[in-house]
Amino acid sequence: SQELEQSPQSLIVQEGKNLTINCTSSKTLYGLYWYKQKYGEGLIFLMMLQKGGEEKSHEKITAKLDEKKQQSSLHITASQPSHAGIYLCGAPSGSRLTFGEGTQLTVNP
Amino acid sequence: DAGVIQSPRHEVTEMGQEVTLRCKPISGHNSLFWYRQTMMRGLELLIYFNNNVPIDDSGMPEDRFSAKMPNASFSTLKIQPSEPRDSAVYFCASSRPLASYEQYFGPGTRLTVT
Repeated sequence: SQELEQSPQSLIVQEGKNLTINCTSSKTLYGLYWYKQKYGEGLIFLMMLQKGGEEKSHEKITAKLDEKKQQSSLHITASQPSHAGIYLCGAPSGSRLTFGEGTQLTVNP
Repeated sequence: DAGVIQSPRHEVTEMGQEVTLRCKPISGHNSLFWYRQTMMRGLELLIYFNNNVPIDDSGMPEDRFSAKMPNASFSTLKIQPSEPRDSAVYFCASSRPLASYEQYFGPGTRLTVT
């Protein structure tokens, strides 16, 4: 089955700093989905990547899928307190979406 | 659009009682998912419906759990009898046709079984 490992598990940064979260798969990825979860709320879909080398941006968040399609990174530029939350990567595994354990991001003002 | 609606938002019950969680997916979405989230096990898919038909229920823990989707706008997840280890946040999510991995989550139901 598909296994996704996220690093780091948690991250504390000062507002304005850049940061990167990684998601590594044990198998070739045929799609990689990034979600964000705020405490006490449901997940929010951020971006989907499908092709090796693909890169997508939304506001100050950029996600990339490597050429080998086994790792994805999510980069936040000039972080803000509104970026705080848990970021999860997900990958299709049969009819289901398998999620990583998440990276908890804290942004201190 | 109102988004995925779940009720109740919080449920506290005693061990042995029946619990019913409810979900209304986004109109036009044809896939519905029930997830459970705990600190220990993270986010787990319990069951997945497509066009109201259960497609994958391999994540349902045991016979105490059952889920139904009588029509395109309503689904229930029932636990009978409930146990303390069922305490978790239960999420319902829905997705559009041909985009089943782009899921829209409800706010969740926080279940506490004492």
